[in-house]
Amino acid sequence: DAGVTQSPTHLIKTRGQQVTLRCSPISGHKSVSWYQQVLGQGPQFIFQYYEKEERGRGNFPDRFSARQFPNYSSELNVNALLLGDSALYLCASSQGPRPGGYTFGSGTRLTVV
Amino acid sequence: RKEVEQDPGPFNVPEGATVAFNCTYSNSASQSFFWYRQDCRKEPKLLMSVYSSGNEDGRFTAQLNRASQYISLLIRDSKLSDSATYLCVVNGEYGGSQGNLIFGKGTKLSVKP
Repeated sequence: DAGVTQSPTHLIKTRGQQVTLRCSPISGHKSVSWYQQVLGQGPQFIFQYYEKEERGRGNFPDRFSARQFPNYSSELNVNALLLGDSALYLCASSQGPRPGGYTFGSGTRLTVV
Repeated sequence: RKEVEQDPGPFNVPEGATVAFNCTYSNSASQSFFWYRQDCRKEPKLLMSVYSSGNEDGRFTAQLNRASQYISLLIRDSKLSDSATYLCVVNGEYGGSQGNLIFGKGTKLSVKP
């Protein structure tokens, strides 16, 4: 069975641009969460979606948005990119909304120049 | 006070050594606790959940002290392959949903021959 898949794996963008990151959860998992991991820090929670509804949002500006599709895949959008948005963006999936069974994808490494 | 605090290390130990990591958390309402392992430039992977009564998985033992809001991880008979960053994780809460995870910065372990 495929694990959590994320695309692209690496991305370089210029300040001010917009980016869309994609995530496909494990088959049967209905919850997708997004995390940002800056170098030297632990991952920070951005969003959780469960059954296509937003269930939680972390302390991130409105430039960050996300959605979940009927097939439970998800997109994370970041507008007006800043240098500080450079990070590893991780997607985690689980069957239900509670965090016990999270599996992370290998992430998208975003570099903003 | 940060939500989850860990000693960043690095801990440099010889093979076969016993090493202990500690972590404190600030939210007394937290109900789920985990240790994740993260290899360099890879995604975090669940090492073990932490239960109130303490739990063991092979060479790994986790303890939880709710009164002190303290979590520990003990690794016995360290192997070279244990070299990684160990992340202390507790569940967060947004709008009644406990679907997000709060990560510490991680403790880096390096096991030497």
